[in-house]
Amino acid sequence: ETGVTQTPRHLVMGMTNKKSLKCEQHLGHNAMYWYKQSAKKPLELMFVYSLEERVENNSVPSRFSPECPNSSHLFLHLHTLQPEDSALYLCASSQDWDRGQVDTQYFGPGTRLTVL
Amino acid sequence: AQSVAQPEDQVNVAEGNPLTVKCTYSVSGNPYLFWYVQYPNRGLQFLLKYITGDNLVKGSYGFEAEFNKSQTSFHLKKPSALVSDSALYFCAVRDRDDKIIFGKGTRLHILP
Repeated sequence: ETGVTQTPRHLVMGMTNKKSLKCEQHLGHNAMYWYKQSAKKPLELMFVYSLEERVENNSVPSRFSPECPNSSHLFLHLHTLQPEDSALYLCASSQDWDRGQVDTQYFGPGTRLTVL
Repeated sequence: AQSVAQPEDQVNVAEGNPLTVKCTYSVSGNPYLFWYVQYPNRGLQFLLKYITGDNLVKGSYGFEAEFNKSQTSFHLKKPSALVSDSALYFCAVRDRDDKIIFGKGTRLHILP
């Protein structure tokens, strides 16, 4: 167990649905991340939160909306997604996100999302 | 443009033989380099990282990687492969602007 949990593990949704992905870390870390993993494509960093503040947003469409209510929880709210958004969504955490620090990231198992 | 390349989609190695998974990078400044492994239905797990110092870095499960600045490479190696090493391996780099870039992954098959 990596200390980072994600729910649900699998999600099937229609293009008009609204759903949320949840991530929780039990490691006492201050930084959390959302990644998208598509087949045969590099892992894409979507969002970074440090101390509950968004520090990075990599040109992600607005149909993906992150929320970080506290340093242990991270959500990804999904609305009117497209079939090409089907992928594995990975959450990760690290001790800090200070410039100059290089922290190991610990990943959750991912949520396999299918958009019909 | 900053990038990480893993030139092989798949690598097949016989059990007991040495293995190499290749990674090259193109970033500004001195990079921080990482290797992660992903087993089926699991998230990525950290293997090792290079920050500074000795170019040969030792990591988990007997893996090691060699940083070569002149060739801008950070190949992952293991002297003797195990069937349980079969997985998807990702190289990643964090540059001086704190951008994290991952390679597309290399699937490693260890043949019994």
